[in-house]
Amino acid sequence: EVQLVESGGGLVQPGGSLRLSCEVSGFTFSSYWMHWVRQAPGKGLVWVSRIDSDGSTTNYADSVKGRFTISRDNAKNTLYLQMNSLRAEDTAVYYCVRPFTGTNAFDMWGQGTMVTVSS
Amino acid sequence: DIVMTQSPDSLAVSLGERATINCKSSQSLLYRSNSKNYLAWYQQKPGQPPKLLIYWASTRESGVPDRFSGSGSETDFSLTISSLQAEDVAVYYCQQHYGIPLSFGGGTKVEIK
Repeated sequence: EVQLVESGGGLVQPGGSLRLSCEVSGFTFSSYWMHWVRQAPGKGLVWVSRIDSDGSTTNYADSVKGRFTISRDNAKNTLYLQMNSLRAEDTAVYYCVRPFTGTNAFDMWGQGTMVTVSS
Repeated sequence: DIVMTQSPDSLAVSLGERATINCKSSQSLLYRSNSKNYLAWYQQKPGQPPKLLIYWASTRESGVPDRFSGSGSETDFSLTISSLQAEDVAVYYCQQHYGIPLSFGGGTKVEIK
């Protein structure tokens, strides 16, 4: 069974940092690009970032470029999102997602981890 | 960047009736090389992550009931639920999976009338 389990969310002050993790199982993690998608409370879905299968290529939404860093450890089957200089508008549920093979449509989602940026 | 616009924002339909959601992209999602439209649809129920229903505009994900269908090409797409069931109450999102940055529509809330 495919599983994606996020962790690391919580309450952080504006300007602070947080590192999210996503541990996966049930599929060959090292063969897949992986993404992060976020959803602010009561709002829609927003793509955040992606990383290729060996970690050499990354892309970011303009809203997080220069502040967030995506990375992975294929030996640990784990995806990461390092979030620095956090702002109130970064408050959201962050989902770790796997794309369907050959597309950037997402067939597997974690349950999400909540990040709240507030003083 | 590709902007995705969904309509309506919400929709109330009687059980057993048809529900149609529209999605428009700011540029074509059709890859000429393979004749595929890179448009996906998701269903999200309260407290749950989204679930992929359809990709390449009209290909149903495995296990998705056949009352869900996708259509359209280039910039105009739609998701149709042919006979609304109680379990279909949810928010539905379209997403372009054509290019980076990926982008979603604003969502359509489907309720029972």
